[in-house]
Amino acid sequence: EVQLVESGGGLVQPGGSLRLSCAASGFTFSSYWMTWVRQAPGKGLEWVANIKQDGSEKYYVDSVRGRFTISRDNAKNSLYLQMNSLRAEDTALYYCARDRYAAPTSYYFDYWGQGTLVTVTS
Amino acid sequence: QSVLTQPPSVSGAPGQRVTISCTGSSSNIGAGYDVHWYQKVPGTAPKLLIYGNSNRPSGVPDRFSGSKSGTSASLAITGLQAEDEADYYCQSYDSSLSARVFGGGTKVTVL
Repeated sequence: EVQLVESGGGLVQPGGSLRLSCAASGFTFSSYWMTWVRQAPGKGLEWVANIKQDGSEKYYVDSVRGRFTISRDNAKNSLYLQMNSLRAEDTALYYCARDRYAAPTSYYFDYWGQGTLVTVTS
Repeated sequence: QSVLTQPPSVSGAPGQRVTISCTGSSSNIGAGYDVHWYQKVPGTAPKLLIYGNSNRPSGVPDRFSGSKSGTSASLAITGLQAEDEADYYCQSYDSSLSARVFGGGTKVTVL
């Protein structure tokens, strides 16, 4: 059974940093792209970043590029999101998800974790 | 403002059929990128409902169906049940943004 378990969320002041983790199990982690998606309170889903199987390619939504860094450790079956210079608008529930690409036109997320809450407030 | 446009809400009585539209543009749905649908019940993780425009993952009831035409896509729920009350999101890829993009979500209410 595929399982994704996020951790690391919490309360942080504007300008602060936080590192999220996602522990994966039930599949060969090193064979899949992985993604972070967030949902702000009362808002819809927003894709944040993703990373290739070997970590050689990383992509970000414009609003976090330069502040957030996605990474992975295939030996530990873990995905990370380092969040720096946090802003109030980064407040959200952050989900990790398995990212699927079916050539040439299909990009989607087939398994999701339960999420970890990040609250940025003074 | 979301790249993909969905109605904020739809409703129907048990047993009825409801549809949710998802409108994009020439850089996403209209460019040929597939549309996928997710069901989000408050307090739970999103669940993949439809992938590749019209395919259902194992375990998803055949009451759910998807279609795509031009710059739009639709999700249909037939034989609406109380347990279908949730938020539904469409998702695709946008080549001008080089990003996976979502619709704003549609709340389905079972009357």
